[in-house]
Amino acid sequence: DAGVIQSPRHEVTEMGQEVTLRCKPISGHDYLFWYRQTMMRGLELLIYFNNNVPIDDSGMPEDRFSAKMPNASFSTLKIQPSEPRDSAVYFCASSLGWGDEQYFGPGTRLTVT
Amino acid sequence: AQKITQTQPGMFVQEKEAVTLDCTYDTSDQSYGLFWYKQPSSGEMIFLIYQGSYDEQNATEGRYSLNFQKARKSANLVISASQLGDSAMYFCAMRASTGGFKTIFGAGTRLFVKA
Repeated sequence: DAGVIQSPRHEVTEMGQEVTLRCKPISGHDYLFWYRQTMMRGLELLIYFNNNVPIDDSGMPEDRFSAKMPNASFSTLKIQPSEPRDSAVYFCASSLGWGDEQYFGPGTRLTVT
Repeated sequence: AQKITQTQPGMFVQEKEAVTLDCTYDTSDQSYGLFWYKQPSSGEMIFLIYQGSYDEQNATEGRYSLNFQKARKSANLVISASQLGDSAMYFCAMRASTGGFKTIFGAGTRLFVKA
């Protein structure tokens, strides 16, 4: 299996622009997670899906953030409009079941200028 | 509230020696899972080892073992025979039913392996 795939790996954008991050989970995994990692706040869970349904989005910082999972093999995290404080590494992860280990993608390093 | 605490921001170990990375957790749940992840300088998060709260034996995976002391709520990672490639950030994490099965991560410990 190719593992969790994320794109793009790096994104540099200007404040106010829309940013879309993409994720393809491992085939057969029922859970998909979006995390954000910063030096100040560490690794934070933003939202997670079970069988394509959003279960908990309490970690999404503001309404500027939205996530979708239209099918079992694709998810997006969108920031509109982006702000410099959104600069971080965004990870997507998937797991077979809720109690199973999560496999992380390589991350997307987002820089908002 | 659930919490993961890693009190060692940085650790040094000599190559080929063993090292223990500390992790304590706080939860009122009886059923939970504990995980350790490694993050090398390249940035990816690599799953290392898992311990379930009902597992009676400590988990082991190759050179990694988890020293699980339930009464003390600690889940320390032991790396035996350290290698230069073990230099990385290590995160302890927990998932429990309270809070909707969300995984929470500790702040991490940066391990430096010296030649």
